[in-house]
Amino acid sequence: EPEVTQTPSHQVTQMGQEVILRCVPISNHLYFYWYRQILGQKVEFLVSFYNNEISEKSEIFDDQFSVERPDGSNFTLKIRSTKLEDSAMYFCASSEGGDGNEQFFGPGTRLTVL
Amino acid sequence: RKEVEQDPGPFNVPEGATVAFNCTYSNSASQSFFWYRQDCRKEPKLLMSVYSSGNEDGRFTAQLNRASQYISLLIRDSKLSDSATYLCVVRNTGFQKLVFGTGTRLLVSP
Repeated sequence: EPEVTQTPSHQVTQMGQEVILRCVPISNHLYFYWYRQILGQKVEFLVSFYNNEISEKSEIFDDQFSVERPDGSNFTLKIRSTKLEDSAMYFCASSEGGDGNEQFFGPGTRLTVL
Repeated sequence: RKEVEQDPGPFNVPEGATVAFNCTYSNSASQSFFWYRQDCRKEPKLLMSVYSSGNEDGRFTAQLNRASQYISLLIRDSKLSDSATYLCVVRNTGFQKLVFGTGTRLLVSP
């Protein structure tokens, strides 16, 4: 069964450093998403991406964040200058279409900012 | 007010019990409704979509009341493997993003 994959599974970084989280969405999917979940809290939407551009973003997704689809398979989330409060589990998701299509989640990357 | 509210639990039930979870949502523009399951430190996985007429999938029954902006999930004949956090999720008209509740934790014991 096709699945979303994410690397690395755990990333530890120093405050102020840049990190890039990587995702490989399901191959025939056209919509890609990033969500995050701070430990003990709810899953929160960050951004959605379609047709090589951001289609929707939350207030969390400020100038420190960027997304990119550098090639035909990868989808990345970059955090330019990490803060302690960026420590969370970051989930990538993809869906075949937009409205009404199931979003399939990857296993997540646990980001720890020291 | 939170957009999606759930009782955090935990709900402790014995194997074989029936358990019900409730959820309310505040945005009347919410269009699609789901229950996701999340195991500890894992990704959310779709359990079932929730339709206006109510729907059933094996031991799981979901109900939607649009007038009261209320969603429910009933689990019959609970199994140990049902132990997880159950997330109430909505999607609003015109948006792709999923809006998650904080989840209700279920512990099924032998």
